[in-house]
Amino acid sequence: GESVGLHLPTLSVQEGDNSIINCAYSNSASDYFIWYKQESGKGPQFIIDIRSNMDKRQGQRVTVLLNKTVKHLSLQIAATQPGDSAVYFCAESSTLVFGTGTRLLVSP
Amino acid sequence: DAMVIQNPRYQVTQFGKPVTLSCSQTLNHNVMYWYQQKSSQAPKLLFHYYDKDFNNEADTPDNFQSRRPNTSFCFLDIRSPGLGDAAMYLCATSRVRVGAKNIQYFGAGTRLSVL
Repeated sequence: GESVGLHLPTLSVQEGDNSIINCAYSNSASDYFIWYKQESGKGPQFIIDIRSNMDKRQGQRVTVLLNKTVKHLSLQIAATQPGDSAVYFCAESSTLVFGTGTRLLVSP
Repeated sequence: DAMVIQNPRYQVTQFGKPVTLSCSQTLNHNVMYWYQQKSSQAPKLLFHYYDKDFNNEADTPDNFQSRRPNTSFCFLDIRSPGLGDAAMYLCATSRVRVGAKNIQYFGAGTRLSVL
């Protein structure tokens, strides 16, 4: 069946470091991916998206990389701040499946 | 201003006592979704409405029902809550159902406790 999964359940970084959160997907026909950030006690919030005809997309301090060959995408957060502490989910648009989630912990 | 509003934020019900959770949106989006999220897990889609067209996920228990009386409102009815139904329930909207730009906007959720 469809699956969108994450490699690491928890990622701990120091403030100022760069963070990389990974996600694997199984459906080679998937054509649109979204990253969401969920802070404690809140609903997920859109961060950045990428279409399958791209391999990289940049936002403010965030970059998403897509490798269709190995069905893998990553979210890179530059100069991680304490306010980035949250659970991050990747999601695939056509099936509305969310990945397992990675908890990012940023220590000062 | 909140665009997807869920009420109440916290709901306590008794085992077997029907409960209704509500969601409203100011985005005028065509699609509304209900997700169940248990602790330290990803949101799990229960069902969604595309306009008035109801789409139930295959593994959503019959105990869960939904109503969408108009574009702005959507309700989740749990007919006979069990202890395993205690979770965060998230409502979301999107302009389109699938495909590119299917960005979902989530409410803050309703945390349901079952005693």
